[in-house]
Amino acid sequence: QVQLQESGPGLVKPSETLSLTCTVSGASLTGLYWSWIRQPPGKSLEWIGFIYYTGTTSYNPSLKGRVTMSVDTAKDQFSLSLTSVTAADTAVYYCARDLNWYFDVWGRGSLVTVSS
Amino acid sequence: QSALTQPPSVSGTPGQRVTISCSGSSSNIGSNSVNWYKQVPGTAPKLLIYNNDYRPSGVPDRFSGSKSGTSASLAISGLQPEDEAVYYCSPWDDNLNGWLFGGGTKLTVL
Repeated sequence: QVQLQESGPGLVKPSETLSLTCTVSGASLTGLYWSWIRQPPGKSLEWIGFIYYTGTTSYNPSLKGRVTMSVDTAKDQFSLSLTSVTAADTAVYYCARDLNWYFDVWGRGSLVTVSS
Repeated sequence: QSALTQPPSVSGTPGQRVTISCSGSSSNIGSNSVNWYKQVPGTAPKLLIYNNDYRPSGVPDRFSGSKSGTSASLAISGLQPEDEAVYYCSPWDDNLNGWLFGGGTKLTVL
């Protein structure tokens, strides 16, 4: 059974960097795409970007160059970094397996609050 | 404001059939397949329909999807209390070069 688990600080100060890691169990990262998606409280979902197991990335232009993703296949992990955060970045952050045509497995989500 | 339009809410009684619409444009629904996700409050979204009208293993055949032009629909027949959730449509968008999500539709089972 494939499982994804997000981890990282639940509280980040404004202007600082949000960092999250997704650990994959029950499957290899090889050959697949892996995405980050977020959901502000009470709002809809927003795709942040994806990373291929080789390290190739694609990001949502709305995040204006603040996003960086990385992958560590040896540790079965991929990571998200979002710089210069504001209160608008407060959200539940999900990692998900992207089969290139749909998200078939999601993590449980990690609430990140941006506040001083 | 989402580039995809879904009704904010729909409702029905047990046993009824309801439909949820998703309206987009030529750059998303018009040229790519649509997926549907179900989200129970406080939990992660779950894949419900993929590639317009395919159900993953374990999803009852009460759920069906369709697409025509720049719109898509999710139909739920034989409504059950456990169907109460928020439903999101999601196609790839060629302009964004990424995934879009609709605003979500809250289904209430009366």
